[in-house]
Amino acid sequence: QSVLTQPPSVSAAPRQRVTISCSGSNSNIGQNGVDWYQQLPGAPPKLLVYYDDQVASGVSDRFSGSKSGTSASLAISGLQSDDEAAYYCAAWDDSRKGWVFGGGTQLTVL
Amino acid sequence: QVQLVESGGGVVQPGRPHRLSCEASGFTFSNHGMHWVRQAPGKGLEWLAVISFDGNKNYSTDLVMGRFTISRDNSKNTLYLQMNNLNGDDTAVYYCAKDMGVSGSQGIDSWGRGTLVIVSS
Repeated sequence: QSVLTQPPSVSAAPRQRVTISCSGSNSNIGQNGVDWYQQLPGAPPKLLVYYDDQVASGVSDRFSGSKSGTSASLAISGLQSDDEAAYYCAAWDDSRKGWVFGGGTQLTVL
Repeated sequence: QVQLVESGGGVVQPGRPHRLSCEASGFTFSNHGMHWVRQAPGKGLEWLAVISFDGNKNYSTDLVMGRFTISRDNSKNTLYLQMNNLNGDDTAVYYCAKDMGVSGSQGIDSWGRGTLVIVSS
């Protein structure tokens, strides 16, 4: 059971927009920035968004992040087939004094 | 560019100690906090431990506290993970990762390719 809760899977058609949610608590998302990672099969994770809504260098502006209270979201617009991957959220947890990850969301482009 | 190269993976016997290393290049290693994160086969990411830029502070998840120890040698640009009392649940790909800041609480911006540890007799 992950500290941050993500849906196990989402799907959408090419060129559509999809959002992935990440739910936490006051000790993590509520107080600290949220980062989002993309992991393609067989590859290490790659930073997409940091500090809630800052898109990492070299990452397409089709990716965007937002946060409200103890929940965060990653939005991907103009879906492409190579966006098929697992997506993870992460945040520092003040109570645990450590990082916590979401369980991951597998994106399928129909 | 940032390069993080893990080594030390392989088949390890249950209960035996084992050490992983991560050689860093392409950035000023001594200016950044560093992490270990693992991923069991077919599972999600699990954060293990972080160490500050100077090695004076470190934190780890309760799951491995007391068994795993993170350390670093800034003179060698190398991060370590000492693992003791290993069991089958520790079978995973172990990633070394660089933090954006000095303390290790800013977030991971770069990852190594990982090294696979299989705990088996």
